[in-house]
Amino acid sequence: AQKVTQAQTEISVVEKEDVTLDCVYETRDTTYYLFWYKQPPSGELVFLIRRNSFDEQNEISGRYSWNFQKSTSSFNFTITASQVVDSAVYFCALRPSYNTDKLIFGTGTRLQVFP
Amino acid sequence: NAGVTQTPKFRVLKTGQSMTLLCAQDMNHEYMYWYRQDPGMGLRLIHYSVGEGTTAKGEVPDGYNVSRLKKQNFLLGLESAAPSQTSVYFCASSTDRGGYNEQFFGPGTRLTVL
Repeated sequence: AQKVTQAQTEISVVEKEDVTLDCVYETRDTTYYLFWYKQPPSGELVFLIRRNSFDEQNEISGRYSWNFQKSTSSFNFTITASQVVDSAVYFCALRPSYNTDKLIFGTGTRLQVFP
Repeated sequence: NAGVTQTPKFRVLKTGQSMTLLCAQDMNHEYMYWYRQDPGMGLRLIHYSVGEGTTAKGEVPDGYNVSRLKKQNFLLGLESAAPSQTSVYFCASSTDRGGYNEQFFGPGTRLTVL
C-alpha cells in the first residue's frame, strides 16, 4: 500500500512556540520522494521542500527544519519560534517511485498560531 | 511570470448543469494535473496530461472530462454536475514526470453544486 498519514488534524500554538508536524508514509519502493506543501488561508499550495529516499540528511531553512527517518518511515516538519504567518494547512506528499506521475497527499494538518 | 492560473475562482452550479474550468501555465511545462480537495481527504488526482494532445485518468476520474489542445492549457469539464462534485479544484504543472520534480499549483477554483 502507498499512503501518507498526517495524524494531527489541527494544532494550535501560541506565537514563539516550537511545533512539529508529523508525516508517516508507506511504500514498498526503494526509490521514492517526499514533499511538503503549505496552504495558507489564501488557498494556493506553496512548495516547501522535497527529499529523495537516498538522502536522509536533515535540512534546515531559517525557522523550518525537516527530519527524515527511513527507519520509522517519517518525514517530520518543525517550525521553530512560530509566527502568526505560519498559520496554514500543511500537506505532506509521497511520490512512490521515480517513473510515476502519482503524488499521494496526506490529509493535511491545520496549524493555527495565536499571537 | 504568472505561473499557474485558474479560471474562474468561484462558481455555483445547479445539479445537471455543465461547466469548464480552465487552467493555464506559462512555464512551458509538459505535465499538467487536475486535483480536487475535499475536507479531511487531502488532494486527489482527477486527470492528468503528459503532453499536448494526451490525457490520462487519475484516482477519481468519474464525472469529469479533460482536454489538452494546447501545451499551456488544460481544461476540466463537468458535463452534468452533481452535489458530490462540490469541492475545491486545483490545477498543477511540472517540468517532467516523476522523480524529484515538484508540482506547481494554481490558486484553486471553489465549486459549489446545489
